[in-house]
Amino acid sequence: GNSVTQMEGPVTLSEEAFLTINCTYTATGYPSLFWYVQYPGEGLQLLLKATKADDKGSNKGFEATYRKETTSFHLEKGSVQVSDSAVYFCALSVDSNYQLIWGAGTKLIIKP
Amino acid sequence: DVKVTQSSRYLVKRTGEKVFLECVQDMDHENMFWYRQDPGLGLRLIYFSYDVKMKEKGDIPEGYSVSREKKERFSLILESASTNQTSMYLCASTIYGGSNQPQHFGDGTRLSIL
Repeated sequence: GNSVTQMEGPVTLSEEAFLTINCTYTATGYPSLFWYVQYPGEGLQLLLKATKADDKGSNKGFEATYRKETTSFHLEKGSVQVSDSAVYFCALSVDSNYQLIWGAGTKLIIKP
Repeated sequence: DVKVTQSSRYLVKRTGEKVFLECVQDMDHENMFWYRQDPGLGLRLIYFSYDVKMKEKGDIPEGYSVSREKKERFSLILESASTNQTSMYLCASTIYGGSNQPQHFGDGTRLSIL
């Protein structure tokens, strides 16, 4: 079946540190991959996406590359800010089905 | 920008009450979804709808029903609320067009059942 596994949180970093949040997946077919972010008290927002192997999604300084050979879609940012504190969700979507398969979410805490 | 609006940010109800959660989207999206979000469990799909009057069960439909009489509105109904339905409820919508279309979310309704 289809599934998404994310690293457990919380992840605590100092401002300007390098961020990696790991995401691996299992899927039949050719999934599209997404990262969503949820700021405190809000709904989820799309952060970035990639729809085929070797695609790189990027937004707000965050990047993730769709790696088919390692079935991974790790989220990275070179220098985090306190305002990046949020919960980050990795998700996949497979053809013929509009549902998203979600990871459990990773809470990120950035300290000044 | 797509706007998904959930009718209440916070709601407190009593056990046994019938509870309605409303969601409206303004972008003529075909697909709409209801999730619940609980700590440590991520998002779990309750129901989704891919057209007016159409609905499909998600992973945890027990104790819930839905209604989609108009394309822009998708309602979640707790037939007889119980304390284990205390949760954050999120509505989402997406355009018809394949697996690469992202879902757009409302701000959520935090529901407490006393």
